[in-house]
Amino acid sequence: QVQLQESGPGLVKPSGTLSLTCAVSGASISSTNWWIWVRQPPGRGLEWIGEIYRGGGTIYNPSLKNRLTLSVDESKNQFSLKLTSLTAADTAMYFCARGAYGDYGLIFDYWGQGTLVTVSS
Amino acid sequence: DIQMTQSPSSLSAFVGDRVTITCRASQSITSYLNWFQQKPGKAPRLLIYAASSLQSGVPSRFSGSGSGTDFTLTISSLEPEDFGIYYCQQTYSTPRTFGQGTKVEMK
Repeated sequence: QVQLQESGPGLVKPSGTLSLTCAVSGASISSTNWWIWVRQPPGRGLEWIGEIYRGGGTIYNPSLKNRLTLSVDESKNQFSLKLTSLTAADTAMYFCARGAYGDYGLIFDYWGQGTLVTVSS
Repeated sequence: DIQMTQSPSSLSAFVGDRVTITCRASQSITSYLNWFQQKPGKAPRLLIYAASSLQSGVPSRFSGSGSGTDFTLTISSLEPEDFGIYYCQQTYSTPRTFGQGTKVEMK
């Protein structure tokens, strides 16, 4: 059974940097899957942040591209997100997910439970 | 960006009712359409992928249809555990976008 688990600070200061990690079990981070980040502000809908493939290929949401870095650590079977220049608008539940390619695009089939990040001084 | 618009924004129905949620894309996405269910404080759960394929482990009362720009999620007979918010999502292009959600409540 594939499992994903997010970890990181629950509170970050404005203008600071957010670093989150997603630990993967039951699947290899080096497999033919994409590894994805999605966020959800409190009481609002889902926003795709970006995704990363083994070897480091990335696709970022253009709305975050200038502040975002995704990376993979194959030795630890985990992937990470770094988001800089934080504002209150970045306050959200952050989810990691696995993306598997099928006949019609990427399928977000396994998700972590999410980690709440609050940007506040 | 491809805009995904769901309707209705919310609905309430009785157990046993047939429920239909619609999702419209701002341009053709062929069948690159997925449906998720989300319950409070939980991660989204994949229900339907490729517009009409049922994800493993999802009850058969859930079904999806459509192609191009217009899609439908149907719950054939609503169960109490089906309350929550339902989202459509396109993966035809990036940025991958979600609909705004449809809240399903029990009457």
